Amino acid sequence: DTGVSQDPRHKITKRGQNVTFRCDPISEHNRLYWYRQTLGQGPEFLTYFQNEAQLEKSRLLSDRFSAERPKGSFSTLEIQRTEQGDSAMYLCASRPGLAGNNEQFFGPGTRLTVL
Amino acid sequence: GQNIDQPTEMTATEGAIVQINCTYQTSGFNGLFWYQQHAGEAPTFLSYNVLDGLEEKGRFSSFLSRSKGYSYLLLKELQMKDSASYLCAVRDRVKSSGNTGKLIFGQGTTLQVKP
Repeated sequence: DTGVSQDPRHKITKRGQNVTFRCDPISEHNRLYWYRQTLGQGPEFLTYFQNEAQLEKSRLLSDRFSAERPKGSFSTLEIQRTEQGDSAMYLCASRPGLAGNNEQFFGPGTRLTVL
Repeated sequence: GQNIDQPTEMTATEGAIVQINCTYQTSGFNGLFWYQQHAGEAPTFLSYNVLDGLEEKGRFSSFLSRSKGYSYLLLKELQMKDSASYLCAVRDRVKSSGNTGKLIFGQGTTLQVKP
């Protein structure tokens, strides 16, 4: 399977705990995005990486959130001191840095439930 | 501000044609995407418009009018498997700092296809 993969697919945690999600983009895609989606809503942009550089962060990304892409390949999204409002589907997407329609390819997401 | 509007729900009959509208008001525009999302799954790419006019791809067509801030997705010969959420997304404008290509999504239109 050469698509975008995310791990874990589901995470249940208690309020106040830290969680970390991983995204493996399509090989050779140098652009990587994180989005958050709540029930009945469209995805909302969180942050963007071009290779290992984090070039944009949404105001939605509070200080409790941090994302990395240390070697320009996989990325991690960490949420510290989780709150019930963090419960959502966290989607990762990647695309190549080439011309064209620049379609973003989405992973299956990590569904986070904060109790 | 960024505002993308699409109907919340639509119902159509198997074999029929359905048109899902999307209007947008964004601070910049660099293309419009339509994605399909089945419940609990990742969004999958359907179409992309950057110039005015109609793009056709099999049973799916998408139209764009930039002057009106308007797009629609047309689905022909509806099948039961077309029951899903359809997401309209605008790609952010090119910035001096570089084109992040982040997508700004509407809330999605849930389409139910009935026999």
